[in-house]
Amino acid sequence: QVQLMESGGGVVRPGRSLRLSCAASGFPFSAYAMHWVRQAPGKGLEWVAVMSYDGSDQSYADSVGGRFTISRDNSKNTLYLQMDSLRPADTAVYYCARGYSPGPLDYWGQGTLVTVSS
Amino acid sequence: QSALTQPASVSGSPGQSITISCTGTSSDIGGYNYVSWYQQHPDKAPKLIIYDVSIRPSGVSNRFSGSKSGNTASLTISGLQAEDEADYYCSLDTSTSTRVFGTGTKVTVL
Repeated sequence: QVQLMESGGGVVRPGRSLRLSCAASGFPFSAYAMHWVRQAPGKGLEWVAVMSYDGSDQSYADSVGGRFTISRDNSKNTLYLQMDSLRPADTAVYYCARGYSPGPLDYWGQGTLVTVSS
Repeated sequence: QSALTQPASVSGSPGQSITISCTGTSSDIGGYNYVSWYQQHPDKAPKLIIYDVSIRPSGVSNRFSGSKSGNTASLTISGLQAEDEADYYCSLDTSTSTRVFGTGTKVTVL
């Protein structure tokens, strides 16, 4: 069965960096676009970034563009999110999700919590 | 791209039907048939329940149905059950590969 497992979350000071990972299994990882979506405590879903199936294309939300970098290693079935210059407003649960372009996000991981605080 | 507008809350009694709206513009919802709906229970990951406006993924109850008229998409839950109490989000999945979510609706079963 399809499984997505995020890791790498934690508490970090403003201005510092953090890298999230998403390990995928149960499907041909290299055939799917992959997304990051976040949810601040008590708030709604916010799309963050997407990478194409082969890593050739990526897009970002305006709120993270220039600070976050999405990448993938298809040989390791793993998606990454490099987060630099973190701000308190980046505090959220970060989910990775399998997606279609265009189309829905049909499988989601359980999320990893990132807290940006001094 | 601005978030799509949903009512903050909708409630209903067991067995009733409720409808959640998701309003955009002619440039987003009105121009595409890539509307999805997600259900999220507290402290759980979102779950896809409707895609491409009205298609249910395998395993999703047929009590959930989706539709679209003009710039507004809708999710209807019929035969409301206690387990349907959750947050619901619409999403527009455009060809640019980016996503915009709705503001979210809390469904309460009275």
